[in-house]
Amino acid sequence: GENVEQHPSTLSVQEGDSAVIKCTYSDSASNYFPWYKQELGKGPQLIIDIRSNVGEKKDQRIAVTLNKTAKHFSLHITETQPEDSAVYFCAARPNAYTGNQFYFGTGTSLTVIP
Amino acid sequence: EAQVTQNPRYLITVTGKKLTVTCSQNMNHEYMSWYRQDPGLGLRQIYYSMNVEVTDKGDVPEGYKVSRKEKRNFPLILESPSPNQTSLYFCASSPGLLTYEQYFGPGTRLTVT
Repeated sequence: GENVEQHPSTLSVQEGDSAVIKCTYSDSASNYFPWYKQELGKGPQLIIDIRSNVGEKKDQRIAVTLNKTAKHFSLHITETQPEDSAVYFCAARPNAYTGNQFYFGTGTSLTVIP
Repeated sequence: EAQVTQNPRYLITVTGKKLTVTCSQNMNHEYMSWYRQDPGLGLRQIYYSMNVEVTDKGDVPEGYKVSRKEKRNFPLILESPSPNQTSLYFCASSPGLLTYEQYFGPGTRLTVT
């Protein structure tokens, strides 16, 4: 099955700086790549996603880039704020013909230092 | 309010005692899934369902059962829980039909002694 690797596992940045989290995947047929934010004691919440026919997507301070050739995608958070502190997960969804399976990375704990 | 609800939120049980964790969504979503979250392993999919009476195995289905008799409900059944099933469990739903965004429930923390 698909294998998703996520780096780094922990990340500390100063408030106002940028944060970048990277993921790689193994199945070239994967076509949907979401990013989730999980705050303490809560379920993951979708913050941005990208499909395989798009190279970049942006939503205010958050952006995701996808390199299908290299099979990696990245989350970029600019002008970080303390409320961005959370655990972030990437995921990949293989081709629709295999059902509705999702494979997640192991998570990145982001701390934004005021 | 559109949401995914899970019950119970916390459960401590003993090895071998059958239990059910309920999941319900009020968004008329086609797809539903169960995940377990363990430190250092991220989220791993246990089972998913793409329609009523249609379920399929995820990455870690051993020791679990599911059913989808109604569109809104997707219970997770542990017929003979073991300590290695101690984990944080999440239910999620998504609209389906080429719309894949998942909405997660608040989680159920299960301890099996």
